[in-house]
Amino acid sequence: EPEVTQTPSHQVTQMGQEVILRCVPISNHLYFYWYRQILGQKVEFLVSFYNNEISEKSEIFDDQFSVERPDGSNFTLKIRSTKLEDSAMYFCASMGGIYIQYFGAGTRLSVL
Amino acid sequence: KNEVEQSPQNLTAQEGEFITINCSYSVGISALHWLQQHPGGGIVSLFMLSSGKKKHGRLIATINIQEKHSSLHITASHPRDSAVYICAVVITQGGSEKLVFGKGMKLTVNP
Repeated sequence: EPEVTQTPSHQVTQMGQEVILRCVPISNHLYFYWYRQILGQKVEFLVSFYNNEISEKSEIFDDQFSVERPDGSNFTLKIRSTKLEDSAMYFCASMGGIYIQYFGAGTRLSVL
Repeated sequence: KNEVEQSPQNLTAQEGEFITINCSYSVGISALHWLQQHPGGGIVSLFMLSSGKKKHGRLIATINIQEKHSSLHITASHPRDSAVYICAVVITQGGSEKLVFGKGMKLTVNP
């Protein structure tokens, strides 16, 4: 069964460093999403991406964040200068058919 | 105010019990997801509903669009059902969709 793959599963970084979280969506999907879940809190929408551009972003998704689909298969989330409060689980999702999103296993980001 | 409310927040059950998890929402939605999150953190989609009822194995999900309410039922619960169950609604705005999540309900099923 096709699946969404995220790498790495755990990323540890120092405050102020740049991180890139990677996702390989399901191959024929067209809509891509990033979500964040701070430990003990609910999952929050970050950004949606369609047709090589951002279709919607939340207020969390500030100038420190960017997304890219560099080569037609990967979908990346970059955090330019990480802060302690960026520590969270980041989930990628992709959607092909209407409304059904498939989630990756997540990347746990720990900012020290 | 949370757009998606789940109840209860925590539930402990004995193996074999029938379990109901509730979700209410306050916004217009295109669809609703029930998701399962295991202790390792990964999220699995259980159901996507836009009306009526769906069944998969021991799981049944229902939605009442008029009442803005959905329920997830687990029949003959088992310890492996222990997880966080999350309700998420699909909101369509300006041609794009996003998911808005509830806080989740932590279910523990004891043998």
